[in-house]
Amino acid sequence: SAVISQKPSRDICQRGTSLTIQCQVDSQVTMMFWYRQQPGQSLTLIATANQGSEATYESGFVIDKFPISRPNLTFSTLTVSNMSPEDSSIYLCSATSGGAEQFFGPGTRLTVL
Amino acid sequence: GENVEQHPSTLSVQEGDSAVIKCTYSDSASNYFPWYKQELGKRPQLIIDIRSNVGEKKDQRIAVTLNKTAKHFSLHITETQPEDSAVYFCAATTNTDKLIFGTGTRLQVFP
Repeated sequence: SAVISQKPSRDICQRGTSLTIQCQVDSQVTMMFWYRQQPGQSLTLIATANQGSEATYESGFVIDKFPISRPNLTFSTLTVSNMSPEDSSIYLCSATSGGAEQFFGPGTRLTVL
Repeated sequence: GENVEQHPSTLSVQEGDSAVIKCTYSDSASNYFPWYKQELGKRPQLIIDIRSNVGEKKDQRIAVTLNKTAKHFSLHITETQPEDSAVYFCAATTNTDKLIFGTGTRLQVFP
């Protein structure tokens, strides 16, 4: 299975600012995803990070708020823009190499004041 | 789009008893059904999965069953141990690999 790391592991931010979260996989993967998990809740898919092209967003999530990059097969970033307290959550990236087994990064715990 | 329902939301069992968690899905095109275990403050960990061409799969104390006609699948844990205490999530996906998660089940195993 792929080993996935995320940076930062946690952050406390002021409203109106932006935070970029990095996701690094130790091997080439075909698909990378970003999820949000609010406290005590399930995981909600934000978008599919497409290598070399624009991400594919799920209903309720837009590029202006959550710009995503994926410059190569092992790295992706998610930016949470113009943050408000409602953005406080855990953000997780995941990856799969085909075959559908999907593995998760450790998550980034974001608190917006 | 796909919708996954999961029951129960909480489950308490005595150590050594069995635990069963059930999920239903809506999209008949879904063909892969993983189960994740998430301990407090940790990432979700894949514990078992099943594909649509299989009816049952076992791995030691854990088993998953799939009923494609009824569009439901279940996780069975036998001989539960305190370290099985966690939140369990079912999920479903089609060939897009996008996982749609259930709402989660908090399992508590009492010694």
